Amino acid sequence: DSGVTQTPKHLITATGQRVTLRCSPRSGDLSVYWYQQSLDQGLQFLIQYYNGEERAKGNILERFSAQQFPDLHSELNLSSLELGDSALYFCASSVGATSGVNTQYFGPGTRLTVL
Amino acid sequence: DAKTTQPNSMESNEEEPVHLPCNHSTISGTDYIHWYRQLPSQGPEYVIHGLTSNVNNRMASLAIAEDRKSSTLILHRATLRDAAVYYCILRGNTDKLIFGTGTRLQVFP
Repeated sequence: DSGVTQTPKHLITATGQRVTLRCSPRSGDLSVYWYQQSLDQGLQFLIQYYNGEERAKGNILERFSAQQFPDLHSELNLSSLELGDSALYFCASSVGATSGVNTQYFGPGTRLTVL
Repeated sequence: DAKTTQPNSMESNEEEPVHLPCNHSTISGTDYIHWYRQLPSQGPEYVIHGLTSNVNNRMASLAIAEDRKSSTLILHRATLRDAAVYYCILRGNTDKLIFGTGTRLQVFP
């Protein structure tokens, strides 16, 4: 158990809909990261937040957005969903930010299926 | 971000040592070498990291070539639970992880 929790575990929805994925980082971790894992693209970094502020952005679509709240939990919002958004979404957390050595601890993921 | 090259798959028998290679010929002086693994149906988990010297921890050892253009993750005695995809990742002064395709390790009893 990494200490990172994600809800829900599974999500099934229809095209055009909007969903919210939730992540609670390990106690004491200030950074939260979101990754997407699909069969054709592999594991891809989406976005990082550090202590409530956006720190780094990766291959995140404009239809997707995220935020980190004062209690450090984070939400990833996916809107106007398409079939291709079906994937596993992982959240990870680490103590700090902008360092080549910070270990990231990953949650169990949310499996999103768009029908 | 500098790229890494790993074999697509490797096989091992239980209780034998496993050497997982990674080539990173364009590594820069400040890049750390990280290894993560992803067990079936789980999120990735940290294994080990190093900069220049060889490193050991309870999970594995990391052997880094003198020119740093390659490294090897060593599992001293593979168990069935070590069957996973192993990712070799270079990290500079950044926190994001750039995953490649990794090496799928199969362990046979």
